[in-house]
Amino acid sequence: DAKTTQPPSMDCAEGRAANLPCNHSTISGNEYVYWYRQIHSQGPQYIIHGLKNNETNEMASLIITEDRKSSTLILPHATLRDTAVYYCIVRAPEGGGDDKIIFGKGTRLHILP
Amino acid sequence: KAGVTQTPRYLIKTRGQQVTLSCSPISGHRSVSWYQQTPGQGLQFLFEYFSETQRNKGNFPGRFSGRQFSNSRSEMNVSTLELGDSALYLCASSLVGAWGYTFGSGTRLTVV
Repeated sequence: DAKTTQPPSMDCAEGRAANLPCNHSTISGNEYVYWYRQIHSQGPQYIIHGLKNNETNEMASLIITEDRKSSTLILPHATLRDTAVYYCIVRAPEGGGDDKIIFGKGTRLHILP
Repeated sequence: KAGVTQTPRYLIKTRGQQVTLSCSPISGHRSVSWYQQTPGQGLQFLFEYFSETQRNKGNFPGRFSGRQFSNSRSEMNVSTLELGDSALYLCASSLVGAWGYTFGSGTRLTVV
């Protein structure tokens, strides 16, 4: 079973920041938080990952709470192309012998024009 | 560089038949995983291969099998197809120790 809980859907106005929450209260000390998104009819796309520090890349920012029990993915200036299902996943580092991703239901993000 | 390539993109098969799907990972990627996606069950892990060995397997019946070749290309096979096998089958590859998988666009299988 997925170790994360996400709201099933969210709306965000185009140009505004989209903040997608994720709860992972049973996360283990060596598990990372990963975010993927899936645009309709395409394969999931890796967005970002983090362990305990906040992370930022060209796509998004990831804010992880100090107790690591929850996180927020931030898309700073959402566009219509960001409409997708966003998956929050926790897993041990790759290469640890358990290289599989357990996907939950994700959050369906609608960007409104 | 080329992404993960899955062939064919679309496939229609009859119940009881078997099917083979192909996945070519990104050059240099030695880990290949397969996932099934259906509206009801979402994305589910099938199996993962590394250096021609299956390292992990999901909770699917034995009708679902796979293999990986020395060039890291992978195939998955589904025998005795059932209507419920209709799904999008996704392949993902990664470098060991790297962060994040790269997924292909998938093969959409319809069983009639």
